[in-house]
Amino acid sequence: DIQMTQSPSSLSASVGDRVTITCRASQGISNYLAWYQQKPGKVPKLLIYAASTLQSGVPSRFSGSGSGTDFTLTISSLQPEDVATYYCQKYSSAPRTFGQGTKVEIK
Amino acid sequence: EVQLVESGGVVVQPGGSLRLSCAASGFIFDDYTMHWVRQAPGKGLEWISLISWDGDNTYYADSVKGRFTISRDNSKNSLYLQMNSLRTEDTALYYCAKESSTTGWGAFDPWGQGTLVTVSS
Repeated sequence: DIQMTQSPSSLSASVGDRVTITCRASQGISNYLAWYQQKPGKVPKLLIYAASTLQSGVPSRFSGSGSGTDFTLTISSLQPEDVATYYCQKYSSAPRTFGQGTKVEIK
Repeated sequence: EVQLVESGGVVVQPGGSLRLSCAASGFIFDDYTMHWVRQAPGKGLEWISLISWDGDNTYYADSVKGRFTISRDNSKNSLYLQMNSLRTEDTALYYCAKESSTTGWGAFDPWGQGTLVTVSS
């Protein structure tokens, strides 16, 4: 099975900072990669699919890139409402594995 | 509005069984592959099972294979998860999720609110 590894597992940044989260697949998955945001106590929400396509309604400060095995989620200017845990997920095949998550906090 | 509502979560003893349900509305249910995902308290997301639009294809995570069975009733717009031989490590919030694409290979959107399963003696 393909493993998904996110880094870092947590980060603390200031409001307005540029934040980057990486996700690595143990084998190539083309662009079958999604990013989700889960705020504390809330349901996961789809942010990005096909590695770089922003889901409708998601602020443009979020962006995704990558293909094959290496992917990145970027928040261009961190806002207080972005405090959450972010997960990548591959959907190229079953199992539809998630990364272990990256917790983003405000410094 | 697309809506997914899970039910059936309770406290159950180790070795017991439970059936979760997910009622879907606001979309053509039998056009989409559906999934179950769980989240243990304080932990990350774990995908556990999928079922194709027609029910002909199912897949399971190794952690639940042979113990859990996913099914659907398209006439009732409902998804199910039969959980047998439950273990304490199955304690989690169980979400149902719809694929965002009718191709059978899509991200998950939306997710239900989840139903809590607690396995404890």
